[in-house]
Amino acid sequence: QKEVEQNSGPLSVPEGAIASLNCTYSDRGSQSFFWYRQYSGKSPELIMSIYSNGDKEDGRFTAQLNKASQYVSLLIRDSQPSDSATYLCAGSNDMRFGAGTRLTVKP
Amino acid sequence: GAVVSQHPSWVICKSGTSVKIECRSLDFQATTMFWYRQFPKQSLMLMATSNEGSKATYEQGVEKDKFLINHASLTLSTLTVTSAHPEDSSFYICSALDRSGNTIYFGEGSWLTVV
Repeated sequence: QKEVEQNSGPLSVPEGAIASLNCTYSDRGSQSFFWYRQYSGKSPELIMSIYSNGDKEDGRFTAQLNKASQYVSLLIRDSQPSDSATYLCAGSNDMRFGAGTRLTVKP
Repeated sequence: GAVVSQHPSWVICKSGTSVKIECRSLDFQATTMFWYRQFPKQSLMLMATSNEGSKATYEQGVEKDKFLINHASLTLSTLTVTSAHPEDSSFYICSALDRSGNTIYFGEGSWLTVV
């Protein structure tokens, strides 16, 4: 079983809305967690890494890590059609991925 | 930002031959590198984890004698697909963990077509 599980199915939001993506994790020792975006036919690109409890913001993206509840999330503010992609999360101690969350931002 | 480079980006080989894919961390030292395979419209599948100077750890179901991984230096890992068959045609991607352990970057991927 993977350490990090991404449970949310496909997500569709209108342009300009906030997209919320979530992952839960079991305690396998990962100190850092990562969010990646993958466009079809391309390699994943790192959006953000987080290792401290709390929020980390970078532009329109905010990663949240809650160690007590064992979840890591990604918020995308002012979603754009170009954000439409598959989003993947993983922990540094287990770099196996699930299917990810397919986000569609509708104009 | 940090860059991980893969070469070649595209390769076509004949069935039965071997092909080598290189993964280089260009501006950081990577103690650990990961190799993935992804078929169209499917998830990334972790094939193996390689640590510099030691043998790779393969995921269940991945043939270590068919997919040879070498991580001879802190900036280079190679994946050799031996005796390639058409079913090995896929998108192969590597990623690298920087020494701080805080960030993992992906290479651009390598498309392999076996004819």
